[in-house]
Amino acid sequence: DADVTQTPRNRITKTGKRIMLECSQTKGHDRMYWYRQDPGLGLQLIYYSFDVKDINKGEISDGYSVSRQAQAKFSLSLESAIPNQTALYFCATSDGGRGQGYNEQFFGPGTRLTVL
Amino acid sequence: KQEVTQIPAALSVPEGENLVLNCSFTDSAIYNLQWFRQDPGKGLTSLLLIQSSQREQTSGRLNASLDKSSGRSTLYIAASQPGDSATYLCAVIPPTYAEYGNKLVFGAGTILRVKS
Repeated sequence: DADVTQTPRNRITKTGKRIMLECSQTKGHDRMYWYRQDPGLGLQLIYYSFDVKDINKGEISDGYSVSRQAQAKFSLSLESAIPNQTALYFCATSDGGRGQGYNEQFFGPGTRLTVL
Repeated sequence: KQEVTQIPAALSVPEGENLVLNCSFTDSAIYNLQWFRQDPGKGLTSLLLIQSSQREQTSGRLNASLDKSSGRSTLYIAASQPGDSATYLCAVIPPTYAEYGNKLVFGAGTILRVKS
């Protein structure tokens, strides 16, 4: 079984609809992230969470919200979807360890979202 | 602001050839550097993680080097195979811990095609 799973894998929706993307992990990591990928632009950070009570905005958080329901679950919501939110969305996890160190990030398979 | 550039943007080689993918970053004071592989319709697979204190890492036919002073990393693939065809992404962690946590800064990637 995959360590980081995302549902749904593909979603087509209409402008103005509310959408939730879900992420679950079995790696036991404290840190979770949501990124979006646009062609030719690389990946950009939307939100990140260092534990259940810690939620932080990333560089492109406008139009998005998140919920950390448990250590293993981190959901991304689009309250009112718009066409320029059409992209590939990735969830990632890492083990924060002690102090301010960095650890390897592990990514889920992605959710392809199309907003018409 | 940290920026990551990958050259070439695309590469096509015959099977069996050794090849080098390049990654450069503008701020040499990084925490770590990570190489990923992305297959169409799939997520990012971590290939190698180089800690800022290291100069290289090896995994099978892959070898990644890091030269912080010049702001460069290379991914060397030996004896390439058609199964190596994918997009290869380089990502660094900037030194500013307070900015977006463990935010990965990605390059746009190199699309590799290995012809049989």
